[in-house]
Amino acid sequence: QVQLQESGPGLVKASETLSLTCTVSGGSMNSSYWTWVRLPPGKGLEWIGYIYPTGSTNYNPSLKSRVTISADTSKIQFSLRLSYVTAADTAVYYCARVRGNSWTWGQGTLVTVSS
Amino acid sequence: QTVVTQEPSLTVSPGGTVTLTCGSSTGGITSAHYPYWFQHKPGQAPRTLIFDTDNKYSWTPARFSGSLLGGKAALTLSDAQPEDEAEYYCLLSYSGGFYVFGTGTKVTVL
Repeated sequence: QVQLQESGPGLVKASETLSLTCTVSGGSMNSSYWTWVRLPPGKGLEWIGYIYPTGSTNYNPSLKSRVTISADTSKIQFSLRLSYVTAADTAVYYCARVRGNSWTWGQGTLVTVSS
Repeated sequence: QTVVTQEPSLTVSPGGTVTLTCGSSTGGITSAHYPYWFQHKPGQAPRTLIFDTDNKYSWTPARFSGSLLGGKAALTLSDAQPEDEAEYYCLLSYSGGFYVFGTGTKVTVL
């Protein structure tokens, strides 16, 4: 059974770059959309984007200028980079595998942007 | 910017029925938006309940059902149970391959 685990700094300074990694265990990266979603405090879920194993990506248009999702299939990991962060980027960040209609989620990690 | 709107909050009595809706700023929702419904409880990862408008997973309680209603996606909860208290989100697919979550509905069973 595939499991996902987010890792990365829990505190990022404003204007810097947020970097998170999602490590996949119990499965390969084939035939799935590797996805990032976030939940800001007091707000709703926000779809950030995904990467497909071919390298194809798709991003939330409102974040597109600041987001990069990449994958390392040899390490069975994928990553999120969000540049020029502000307090509005403070959120619990989830990674997820989407295969067909099946979603498998990581437990989520809180990232706080400090001024 | 595409906005997907849900009722902010709804209250249902135990054993009662409530319908949540999901509307798009771009116009009517169709099956081509492949609507999902997620249940999210504090401190947990979201859980999928419905895919492709009205399809259930093996773990989806029978009291949940999805549909299209008046140009919106809808989630109906029948025979509500205390454990159904949660935030519910729809997720829609748009041409261009991007997705948008709805604003979320907090359901209280009281």
